[in-house]
Amino acid sequence: KQEVTQIPAALSVPEGENLVLNCSFTDSAIYNLQWFRQDPGKGLTSLLLIQSSQREQTSGRLNASLDKSSGRSTLYIAASQPGDSATYLCAVSFGFQKLVFGTGTRLLVSP
Amino acid sequence: ETGVTQTPRHLVMGMTNKKSLKCEQHLGHNAMYWYKQSAKKPLELMFVYNFKEQTENNSVPSRFSPECPNSSHLFLHLHTLQPEDSALYLCASSQVEWAGGTFTDTQYFGPGTRLTVL
Repeated sequence: KQEVTQIPAALSVPEGENLVLNCSFTDSAIYNLQWFRQDPGKGLTSLLLIQSSQREQTSGRLNASLDKSSGRSTLYIAASQPGDSATYLCAVSFGFQKLVFGTGTRLLVSP
Repeated sequence: ETGVTQTPRHLVMGMTNKKSLKCEQHLGHNAMYWYKQSAKKPLELMFVYNFKEQTENNSVPSRFSPECPNSSHLFLHLHTLQPEDSALYLCASSQVEWAGGTFTDTQYFGPGTRLTVL
C-alpha cells in the first residue's frame, strides 16, 4: 500500500529559528511531491511542487528537497515567523490522479 | 470569485436530513475532486470527475452521492449520514494534460465545508 508519513506530528519553536519538516513515502516510483499549508478550518494552499526529476525547489524562505531513492522529502523553513504557524501537509502523486497525503505536521511559532 | 469556492462553509445536520455541498471552480479546469478530512487522519480521496464523467469512486458509501452537471460545478448530496461522517469536505480542481508520455494534474483546493452530523 502506498503511504505517506510525516514526522514530527507537532512542532513548537521560538520565532527566528530555522526548522525542518520531514516526509517519507513507501514507493519510490512517484510522479511528483507537493507541500501544502493548511490554516485552521481552511483549505489547502500549495507551497512547493517538486517533479520526480528534480531534487529541490525554493520559494522565498522555503526550500523543499526530494530523494526518491530513499523515499524522503524535507521542507526547510528559514527564519520562522509567527505567521508560519499552520499545519503542513506532504502529498505524493503515485500516479494519474492518485494523490496520497500524510497526516501533517502542526507547527507553532511563538513570538 | 476566483479559484475554487465551496458552500456552505459550515453545515450541521441530523442523521435523517438530506443536504448538498456545492463546489465551483473558476479556473477553467477539466477535472474535479471530493476529499474527506477527518480528525487525525490523512485526506482521503472520495470521487474524481474528468470532463464531467465520474472516473473514481474510492469505496465511498452510497449515502454520499456526487453530481457533476458541468466542468465548473460539483455537488455532494448527503442523506442518512452517520456521526462518523462529520469531517471537513474539500473540493479540488485541476487541469489534466498529457504530453510526452507523462501528465500534469496539479490540484487547487477550496476552503472546505465543515460538516457536523448529530
